[in-house]
Amino acid sequence: AQTVTQSQPEMSVQEAETVTLSCTYDTSENNYYLFWYKQPPSRQMILVIRQEAYKQQNATENRFSVNFQKAAKSFSLKISDSQLGDTAMYFCAYYGGSQGNLIFGKGTKLSVKP
Amino acid sequence: NAGVMQNPRHLVRRRGQEARLRCSPMKGHSHVYWYRQLPEEGLKFMVYLQKENIIDESGMPKERFSAEFPKEGPSILRIQQVVRGDSAAYFCASSSGLGFYEQYFGPGTRLTVT
Repeated sequence: AQTVTQSQPEMSVQEAETVTLSCTYDTSENNYYLFWYKQPPSRQMILVIRQEAYKQQNATENRFSVNFQKAAKSFSLKISDSQLGDTAMYFCAYYGGSQGNLIFGKGTKLSVKP
Repeated sequence: NAGVMQNPRHLVRRRGQEARLRCSPMKGHSHVYWYRQLPEEGLKFMVYLQKENIIDESGMPKERFSAEFPKEGPSILRIQQVVRGDSAAYFCASSSGLGFYEQYFGPGTRLTVT
């Protein structure tokens, strides 16, 4: 069975600095997708970034980028120039072709300090 | 273009009552997923439905929980005889037939059982 592990329950970063959130996963599939979702205090789940496993190039969305290491089954999220509005829970998620649902990690609570 | 709608946003039920949670997918989406988020946890898959069909209910508790997605109207997650352990946030997500992996989430329903 596929699993997603986020080993950092909580992290903090100073405003304007860079922070990296870790995620590892386990799968025997070759084609899959990985996601980072942000959940602010409003609890709305917001898609931050997506990575297709068949693409070697790391995905980037403005201040958010990933370091995708397929062989190591690692998928970390880097947030550059952190802003107060980045304070939220961040969830790593996996989607494989053999099932229709997303599999989530337990989340990392990120606090951005002024 | 409205996103995924869920109602109610907050629901309080006494032990033994029934809870009905509604989800209207994004326009053009015919696939609906229900997830449950317990306090301090990530989202856990419950059930995957298409119009008039349950595709995968492997994450649903065997008793008291049911889901439907009729030809007309929203998807309904129904919890009979609620217990305190059912208190959680319940999220609905939808996707189109193209790009199953991209799921868009509603704002969630916070169920509190007293």
